[in-house]
Amino acid sequence: AQSVTQLDSQVPVFEEAPVELRCNYSSSVSVYLFWYVQYPNQGLQLLLKYLSGSTLVESINGFEAEFNKSQTSFHLRKPSVHISDTAEYFCAVSRKAAGNKLTFGGGTRVLVKP
Amino acid sequence: GAVVSQHPSRVICKSGTSVKIECRSLDFQATTMFWYRQFPKQSLMLMATSNEGSKATYEQGVEKDKFLINHASLTLSTLTVTSAHPEDSSFYICSARGGGGREDAYEQYFGPGTRLTVT
Repeated sequence: AQSVTQLDSQVPVFEEAPVELRCNYSSSVSVYLFWYVQYPNQGLQLLLKYLSGSTLVESINGFEAEFNKSQTSFHLRKPSVHISDTAEYFCAVSRKAAGNKLTFGGGTRVLVKP
Repeated sequence: GAVVSQHPSRVICKSGTSVKIECRSLDFQATTMFWYRQFPKQSLMLMATSNEGSKATYEQGVEKDKFLINHASLTLSTLTVTSAHPEDSSFYICSARGGGGREDAYEQYFGPGTRLTVT
């Protein structure tokens, strides 16, 4: 079984400041890694994913995450946040096997202040 | 591409009644669909996994007779909450995954969610 820990439940940050959301996972097998964003009363939107290849993955709206196998981490970063980045962010993992179920972390609420 | 819809987006029902939630993959065939529930300010909890044409696999602690799941086609799965009670009030989210062996096939696409309130 795998598990995901998001160390920060809430992260307040000022507009245009950088932000890092921490995600650590545990698994006995290789995994795929995902970050999802959820705006109030909406479903989840995929922000970025690591399946294989380069350990640094980027999204189109300025977020990036780096897969660190030795530290079993997949931290999410953005160098300069906007008010519109206020949302809940979920880290998730799934096994590299058929029937892959996603295991979610507890979520990190990002509140961007002007 | 890869759009998943849910209907209704919001429903209020009386205690003891049943309510059905639909999940549709609009532009791809979903061999597998997942149903989650999310309580306020909490993470998503997987309830069950459904594969087209077969019985759903429920997670431990989820009552299969209370949460009926049907995945009759490659684009539609339904969740029926039977004899709903106030404690069933929650945000229900479905996701869909395509088939095939490519790595991208392991990605889940999420619906917008259905907020159920049982009075």
